[in-house]
Amino acid sequence: AQSVTQPDIHITVSEGASLELRCNYSYGATPYLFWYVQSPGQGLQLLLKYFSGDTLVQGIKGFEAEFKRSQSSFNLRKPSVHWSDAAEYFCAVGAVSGYSTLTFGKGTMLLVSP
Amino acid sequence: KAGVTQTPRYLIKTRGQQVTLSCSPISGHRSVSWYQQTPGQGLQFLFEYFSETQRNKGNFPGRFSGRQFSNSRSEMNVSTLELGDSALYLCASSLTGKGTEAFFGQGTRLTVV
Repeated sequence: AQSVTQPDIHITVSEGASLELRCNYSYGATPYLFWYVQSPGQGLQLLLKYFSGDTLVQGIKGFEAEFKRSQSSFNLRKPSVHWSDAAEYFCAVGAVSGYSTLTFGKGTMLLVSP
Repeated sequence: KAGVTQTPRYLIKTRGQQVTLSCSPISGHRSVSWYQQTPGQGLQFLFEYFSETQRNKGNFPGRFSGRQFSNSRSEMNVSTLELGDSALYLCASSLTGKGTEAFFGQGTRLTVV
């Protein structure tokens, strides 16, 4: 069965500092990988996705993520965090074959300090 | 292009009652999935519909059911509500549900009292 681990429940970053959120997955083959962001009381917004090809993917709002097969990781990065980035971030894995059921990590809450 | 629309946004129900939630996917999307989000369990897959057929189902009791209409709109129903059903219910739409990204609605916040 596929699974996703986000080891950090909370992370606090100073505004303007760089950010890296960790995500490790377990899956039998190369999966589809996603990062979503959720503001309080809202739905999930897709930040970026990896299906195949270039292992460094660019997303919206200046985010990027790198797929590392050898480490089963898909970490999310941003060079300079803005106060508006404070939210909860979810990593998800989807099956390459079969249906599009997503398995989510528990999420990482990002706090941005002034 | 309109996004995924879920109605209502908020609901308060009493234990034992039933509830129906609605989801209108992005135009042209034929796959609709439902997820339950709670602080304790996180995001859990409920079921997925494609062309009016349930293709996949998560590990939830039979009190949770759904359907999809010919225009791809979907409803989910929870019967005999329990306190533990209080959650944010999220609907996601995708083009085919296979190898395509899912776009989520704002969710329906269900509170069972």
